[in-house]
Amino acid sequence: GQNIDQPTEMTATEGAIVQINCTYQTSGFNGLFWYQQHAGEAPTFLSYNVLDGLEEKGRFSSFLSRSKGYSYLLLKELQMKDSASYLCAAMDSNYQLIWGAGTKLIIKP
Amino acid sequence: GAVVSQHPSWVICKSGTSVKIECRSLDFQATTMFWYRQFPKQSLMLMATSNEGSKATYEQGVEKDKFLINHASLTLSTLTVTSAHPEDSSFYICSASDRGQASGLMSETQYFGPGTRLLVL
Repeated sequence: GQNIDQPTEMTATEGAIVQINCTYQTSGFNGLFWYQQHAGEAPTFLSYNVLDGLEEKGRFSSFLSRSKGYSYLLLKELQMKDSASYLCAAMDSNYQLIWGAGTKLIIKP
Repeated sequence: GAVVSQHPSWVICKSGTSVKIECRSLDFQATTMFWYRQFPKQSLMLMATSNEGSKATYEQGVEKDKFLINHASLTLSTLTVTSAHPEDSSFYICSASDRGQASGLMSETQYFGPGTRLLVL
C-alpha cells in the first residue's frame, strides 16, 4: 500500500534549527512536496523535490533520498510565525498526491 | 503567480439546503483541480479530482451525487454540497495545478485556495 510517515508533533525554540522527517512508500514516484498549514488556514506550498539532494530556499531547505524513500524539511532561524503544521506529500506514478497526516511544530520563545 | 481563490470563505446553512462553493485560478490555467475536506485537527482528505471538460474522479467513499463537481473552464471549478446535513460541516479546500507548465509554474504542484468553512445547522 501507499503510506507517508511523519512525526505528529515537534517542539523547538525560537532562533534554533529543526528538521522534520518524512518517509514514504508509493507506487511509482513523481516527486515529494512540503506544505505549511497554519491553524484554520489552507496549506501553502513550500518545496518540491524530485531529484536526490538538498534544495535551499531562504530559511527553509528540503532534502530527498529516493533510494531510501526519505525526505526532510529543515527550518533555520526559527520564528514564532513558523508555528504551524507541515505536510509531507509524495506523488505516485498516477500523479496522485499521497498526503501525510502532518507534523505540528510548536515554537517556544 | 499561482493564486487560487475560493468563494464563499464561510457559509452557514440549514439542514437540507444545497451549498455551492467556487474555486478559481486567478493567474494561471488550471488543467486539474482538486477538492479536499478537512475536519478539525485531522489531515487533508481528497474528495475528488477534476479535469477541465471531463467528469470528476471521486475518491472511495465520497458520494458523487451528494458532492457535485463541475469544472467547466480552465479557471473555474465548483463544488455543490446537495442536501447538506450537520455531518457535512467541515473545511472545504480546493487546489489547482497546471500540468502542462504552460504558465511557467512548477508542473504538478498544487496551489491551494483559502478554503471554505461550512456549518450546517
